[in-house]
Amino acid sequence: QTVVTQEPSLTVSPGGTVTLTCASSSGAVTSGFYPNWFQQRPGQVPRALIYSTSIRHSWTPARFSGSLLGGKAALTLSGVQPEDEADYYCLLFYGGAQGWVFGGGTKLTVL
Amino acid sequence: QLQLQESGPGLVKPSETLSLTCAVSGGSISTWPYYWAWIRQPPGRGLEWIGHIYYTGSTSYNPSLRSRVTMSVDTSNNHFSLKLNSVTAADTAVYYCARQSGGDTSGQGDYWGQGTQVSVSS
Repeated sequence: QTVVTQEPSLTVSPGGTVTLTCASSSGAVTSGFYPNWFQQRPGQVPRALIYSTSIRHSWTPARFSGSLLGGKAALTLSGVQPEDEADYYCLLFYGGAQGWVFGGGTKLTVL
Repeated sequence: QLQLQESGPGLVKPSETLSLTCAVSGGSISTWPYYWAWIRQPPGRGLEWIGHIYYTGSTSYNPSLRSRVTMSVDTSNNHFSLKLNSVTAADTAVYYCARQSGGDTSGQGDYWGQGTQVSVSS
C-alpha cells in the first residue's frame, strides 16, 4: 500500500512564510499525481485549496500556492494569517488500482 | 449552489453493515466529469479516501477496503450510497461525501457534505 507522507507539524510566525510538503513512498511526485491540497480547521469540514499541483480554487487566497519541489508536492503559505492555523492534507492520484491517497496531514500552528 | 447531505444510522453493531446515503441537490449527479466520493476521518486522525462512483455505476475503491465496500448510484433520485460490511471499531469515523472531478479538471473535493458520525459499538 502506497504511503503519502507529510510533516506531522510545523510552526510559523504571523506574517511569515512556510512550506508544507507531500512525498510518495513510490517515488517522486509529478504533475501526473494531480496533487490536491485541503485545509481543515478544528471541527470543520475540509476545504479544497489547490488542485492539479498549483491551481487555486476561486475561494483560495492568493497567499496559498502549490508547486513541485525536490520530488514532492508543496504548499507554500506566504504572509501567514492567524486564521491559517489548521490541519493541511495533500491528496495524490495513483491510477485505477489504488485510486486516490491522502497524506497523513500537517498540523500548522501560527505562533 | 451544489449541496451534499449524508444520512444514515449513527450507530452500527460490530460485524454488521454500515449504510450511508448522500443526497445531491443544486445539480445533477449525472454530469461529466464528476465522480462522487466517500471519505472518512476516524476521531483525532487524518482523512481516508474510501472510493468513488461515476453516474454510470463505474467504481474505484481504496484497496485496503475493497473487499468490504460497495458503492451505488441512483440517478433518478440524485443520490449515491455506501455500504461497508463486517464493520469493527476501527470503522468508527466521521463519514463525508464529496465531489471529485475526472482528469482533475476542477479539482477533488470542491464540494463536501457536512459529515456524519458513525460509531461501531455493541
